[in-house]
Amino acid sequence: QVQLQESGPGLVKPSQTLSLTCTVSGGSISSGSYYWSWIRQPAGKGLEWIGRIYTSGSTNYNPSLKSRVTISVDTSKNQFSLKLSSVTAADTAVYYCARDVVGSSNFDYWGQGTLVTVSS
Amino acid sequence: QSALTQPASVSGSPGQSITISCTGTSSDVGGYNYVSWYQQHPGKAPKLMIYDVSNRPSGVSNRFSGSKSGNTASLTISGLQAEDEADYYCSSYTSSSSGVFGGGTKLTVL
Repeated sequence: QVQLQESGPGLVKPSQTLSLTCTVSGGSISSGSYYWSWIRQPAGKGLEWIGRIYTSGSTNYNPSLKSRVTISVDTSKNQFSLKLSSVTAADTAVYYCARDVVGSSNFDYWGQGTLVTVSS
Repeated sequence: QSALTQPASVSGSPGQSITISCTGTSSDVGGYNYVSWYQQHPGKAPKLMIYDVSNRPSGVSNRFSGSKSGNTASLTISGLQAEDEADYYCSSYTSSSSGVFGGGTKLTVL
């Protein structure tokens, strides 16, 4: 059974960089059948796709966040990571990592989510 | 990439059927048979309920079904149960290879 677990600081100051890591267990992040995505959800609001990475390191980003987002992968640790720069209060949300089936945008496994608050 | 359009809320009584719509464009919902639906209970992560328009993952009740016509996809839940009360989100593959979700629909079981 594939499991994903987000980790990282729960509090980030405005203008700083939010950094999160997703650790994958029960399956290899190097599988060619999947992308690995980040998705966020502000309190009381809907889901927003942030971006995805393939095992090769190729990425796709949400155009509205592209200038501030970097997603990377560490296959040796079976992890992928999110960096979001110049954060504001609007970036306060629960951040999820998810497995994304290549060619379909079907998110079949999700982490439990981690709340990141942007505040001084 | 604009969000897909879903009704904000739907409701139904136990045993009834409800349908949630998800409207996009020919660049997403209408252009590909890759629409998925997610159920989210409060404080929990979303759960995949339907993929590739009408397929159910193992373990998902056959009371959940999906379909698509043109640029609109639909999720139907038959034999409503109290446990079905949750938020539901649609998602679609897009021509730009970006991910996109609907705004979400709150299902209330009366």
